[in-house]
Formats: sequence, C-alpha cells, structure tokens
Amino acid sequence: GENVEQHPSTLSVQEGDSAVIKCTYSDSASNYFPWYKQELGKRPQLIIDIRSNVGEKKDQRIAVTLNKTAKHFSLHITETQPEDSAVYFCAAHLPRDNNNDMRFGAGTRLTVKP
Amino acid sequence: DTGVSQNPRHKITKRGQNVTFRCDPISEHNRLYWYRQTLGQGPEFLTYFQNEAQLEKSRLLSDRFSAERPKGSFSTLEIQRTEQGDSAMYLCASSPHSVRGKDTQYFGPGTRLTVL
Repeated sequence: GENVEQHPSTLSVQEGDSAVIKCTYSDSASNYFPWYKQELGKRPQLIIDIRSNVGEKKDQRIAVTLNKTAKHFSLHITETQPEDSAVYFCAAHLPRDNNNDMRFGAGTRLTVKP
Repeated sequence: DTGVSQNPRHKITKRGQNVTFRCDPISEHNRLYWYRQTLGQGPEFLTYFQNEAQLEKSRLLSDRFSAERPKGSFSTLEIQRTEQGDSAMYLCASSPHSVRGKDTQYFGPGTRLTVL
C-alpha cells in the first residue's frame, strides 16, 4: 500500500509570512493528492487537491505543487493569517480496483502568530 | 446542512460495552468511508463501502468492529466489547465515484469515543 510522510510536524510563522508543508509518498501509481485543514474539534476540510497529470495548482493564497519524479508534493500558503492556524493533513490516493488506498500524513500543526 | 453528518458527536462508555455510530453521507455520494483518528495523527482508514457493498476492510478493523450500509445510504459502525484503546475520533467520509476518478472525500464532524 501507500505510505505518506509529512514534514514538519509543527510550524510557526509570523503573520504575513509564507508557510510550506511537504509530503512524500511511496507508490508512483498514486494519482490524487488532497490537502485537508482541521481546526481544533472540527472535521477535516478539503482545501485544495491536485491530480498526477498536473504539476501545480493555485487557489488564492494556497498552492500545491507536485513532483512525480521525486514523489513529493507541497502545500504553500502565502500571506498567512491567524485564521490559517490549524492542523494540515496531506493524503495520497493509490487507485486500485475495489480498494480505497487513501493514506494520510501525520499532520502539521501550523501556528500563525499575529 | 447537506454535508456528511454523524451521530452521536460524543460517546462515553465503560470498557466492555458495545457502541454504535451512525453516518449519513452526502446524498448523491455512493462511496462511504470510516476512519479512526487519534490525537496528533492523521485519519487511519478502517473500511469503505460502494453503495451497500463493503469493499475493503483495514487490518485495523478487528473482529470486534463491524460496519454496515444496508440500503446504500447511511452506515453504522459498531464496536463490541470496547477497550480503552478504542478511544478515538471516528470519522466518516463520502465521495462520488466516477470512472474519471473524481474521488474527493468529504468528512463528517466525527464521533468522539471515550472508553473508561
């Protein structure tokens, strides 16, 4: 199955700075990479995703890049705001018939200091 | 609210008791997933359904755990003879399924289980 590693486990930035979270995956056949934001006591919310036929995707202050050769993908948040503080999870989906091989990273706790 | 819903939101039980959780997916989604999340970790996959068929079960799902989705809509997850190690947040997610692989999963709010 797929194995996803996420770094760093904690990240603290000053408001307005950029934050970058990196994930690596093990199976080159993985083709879908979502990122979720989870605030304390709340459900994981999808914030952005990327498919393996795309190298970069951007949505306002959030962008995701994918390097299929190196099997890693990253979340970039620019102009961070205190409300960006949360735990962020990456995931990789390995498509197999009748199997749900969606594996999550362990999460990155982002703190944005005002 | 047309999102994924879960009930109850919190459950406290004594060790050895049975508990059952319910998940109502987004209505047009035919795939439904159960995950377990412990503090400081990402969601761990437990099992998933496509319509009423349970297609995969994780090795994490011991024989004390059983899940059903009898009519292909809501699902239940039952834990028998609960143990303290079962304490966790149990998350449900749903997704549409298409041959084009639009498989984005949307999570419910979770059921937090505490086993005393």
